[in-house]
Amino acid sequence: AQSVTQPDARVTVSEGASLQLRCKYSYSGTPYLFWYVQYPRQGLQLLLKYYSGDPVVQGVNGFEAEFIKSNSSFHLRKASVHWSDSAVYFCAVRSSNTNKVVFGTGTRLQVLP
Amino acid sequence: GPKVLQIPSHQIIDMGQMVTLNCDPVSNHLYFYWYKQILGQQMEFLVNFYNGKVMEKSKLFKDQFSVERPDGSYFTLKIQPTALEDSAVYFCASSLTVSNERLFFGHGTKLSVL
Repeated sequence: AQSVTQPDARVTVSEGASLQLRCKYSYSGTPYLFWYVQYPRQGLQLLLKYYSGDPVVQGVNGFEAEFIKSNSSFHLRKASVHWSDSAVYFCAVRSSNTNKVVFGTGTRLQVLP
Repeated sequence: GPKVLQIPSHQIIDMGQMVTLNCDPVSNHLYFYWYKQILGQQMEFLVNFYNGKVMEKSKLFKDQFSVERPDGSYFTLKIQPTALEDSAVYFCASSLTVSNERLFFGHGTKLSVL
């Protein structure tokens, strides 16, 4: 069964700094990988997704993520964060033969002005 | 963009009562999901639903839980009877297809079981 690990429960950075949120997945086959963001009192919104091809995928608001198969990782990055990026970020994985999307525990990002 | 609506946003009930959470998915979507999120914790998969049937469910989807979407109306999650540990925010999601589609989430219904 697939699983996702987000080792950092909280990350705090200053506005303008670069960001990396870590995600490692466990799945023996070809995974479909996602990053979602959750703002307070809202549902999750998709940031980006990876299915195949170029391992670096671009998302909304300047976010990108890199699929590294050898490391089973799909870290999220942003070159320069803004205070409005403060939210909870969830990494998720779906296997190619199931309809079930499994989420990580989330990383709460706080951007200091 | 496409929206998933959840009604109500907050529901308070006494333990042992029945509750129905309503979800109005994106109009042309075919796959529907419920997730449970206890405050500050992980989003946990409960169930997915397609063509009138439950496709997959997790261990969290207890016998007291049921889902349906009668006649293409609301996609509902019913809990009967409720327990204290059912208190959480329940998120509904939908997708057009199953292959590589993103999920569209509602804003959640906060269920408080007293």
